[in-house]
Amino acid sequence: GENVEQHPSTLSVQEGDSAVIKCTYSDSASNYFPWYKQELGKRPQLIIDIRSNVGEKKDQRIAVTLNKTAKHFSLHITETQPEDSAVYFCAASLGNFNKFYFGSGTKLNVKP
Amino acid sequence: GAGVSQSPRYKVAKRGQDVALRCDPISGHVSLFWYQQALGQGPEFLTYFQNEAQLDKSGLPSDRFFAERPEGSVSTLKIQRTQQEDSAVYLCASSLRESTDTQYFGPGTRLTVL
Repeated sequence: GENVEQHPSTLSVQEGDSAVIKCTYSDSASNYFPWYKQELGKRPQLIIDIRSNVGEKKDQRIAVTLNKTAKHFSLHITETQPEDSAVYFCAASLGNFNKFYFGSGTKLNVKP
Repeated sequence: GAGVSQSPRYKVAKRGQDVALRCDPISGHVSLFWYQQALGQGPEFLTYFQNEAQLDKSGLPSDRFFAERPEGSVSTLKIQRTQQEDSAVYLCASSLRESTDTQYFGPGTRLTVL
């Protein structure tokens, strides 16, 4: 089955700096890659997703890039704010309502 | 509109007890997933329903785990003879019929087995 690895496990940045979280996947058939933000004790919330037919997607301060050849994808957050502090999970899926395989999470701390 | 809801939010069980966890998906969502999230880890897939049909139960860790969705809406995850290793947050997610893969998660049920 699919194996998703996520790095780093913790990331601390100063407010206003950029943050980058990287994930790799093993199954070349995976074609849908969502990113979720989970605050302590709360549900995972989708923040951005990308499908395998595009290489990059942007939504305000958040962007995701995908390299299908290398089988890795990254989350980029610019101009970080304290409210960005949370655990971020990447996931990979075969699409078509298939299950998600999640990474182990990155705890992002944005220091004011 | 209303999101995915789960009940109870917290459940404490003594080892050996049976528990039932409920998920109410977003109205009209065809697909429903259950995930198990251990402390400090990402969610791990348990089982998947399309309407009332359980199409994938490959993630259920043992035959003590059973899930159902008899009318294609509300789902129940049942764990029999709970063990300490069953302690985790159980997340439910639902997904719309059309060609979107977005899964919307519920708040989870935190199960603690003593």
